[in-house]
Amino acid sequence: GENVEQHPSTLSVQEGDSAVIKCTYSDSASNYFPWYKQELGKRPQLIIDIRSNVGEKKDQRIAVTLNKTAKHFSLHITETQPEDSAVYFCTTLRTDSWGKLQFGAGTQVVVTP
Amino acid sequence: SQTIHQWPATLVQPVGSPLSLECTVEGTSNPNLYWYRQAAGRGLQLLFYSVGIGQISSEVPQNLSASRPQDRQFILSSKKLLLSDSGFYLCAWSVRPEELFFGEGSRLTVL
Repeated sequence: GENVEQHPSTLSVQEGDSAVIKCTYSDSASNYFPWYKQELGKRPQLIIDIRSNVGEKKDQRIAVTLNKTAKHFSLHITETQPEDSAVYFCTTLRTDSWGKLQFGAGTQVVVTP
Repeated sequence: SQTIHQWPATLVQPVGSPLSLECTVEGTSNPNLYWYRQAAGRGLQLLFYSVGIGQISSEVPQNLSASRPQDRQFILSSKKLLLSDSGFYLCAWSVRPEELFFGEGSRLTVL
């Protein structure tokens, strides 16, 4: 089965700096890579995703990159703000495994003013 | 629009007691339904999924069971809770392979 490794487990950044979270996966059949943000005590919310036929995607201050050959993908947050503080999860999905996301262990991001 | 309701939001139960968490989806029909669990400081683990009424698949061996008595209702149960059952339980639904919408979650503490 799929194994998703996520690093780092915690990340402290100063407001305005960038944050980078990296994930690797093992199942070469994974073809969809969404990222979720979970605020304390809340449900995970999808913030950005990338498909296997795309190398990079950007949405305002958030960008994701995918290296399908190396089986790793990353989340980049630029100009971090205190409201970016949360736990971020990388996930993978095989679209023939409808809705059965495989989650990384999560990264606790703390943005200090 | 579609909505998902999950209850109770918080539950404190003694070891050995039964459990019932309920989830209902509105605004869609024949969704795929899922139960995920999140242990403290960990990622989410898929416990059960259902593609239709009475159709339940278990992803991991455990002390819990799931049922789908109606199209948009998904129930997570246990006859006797263990300490290790503590966690944050999330119901989710999808009608397309690449989407997954989570409920608000139920925080279970087993003492």
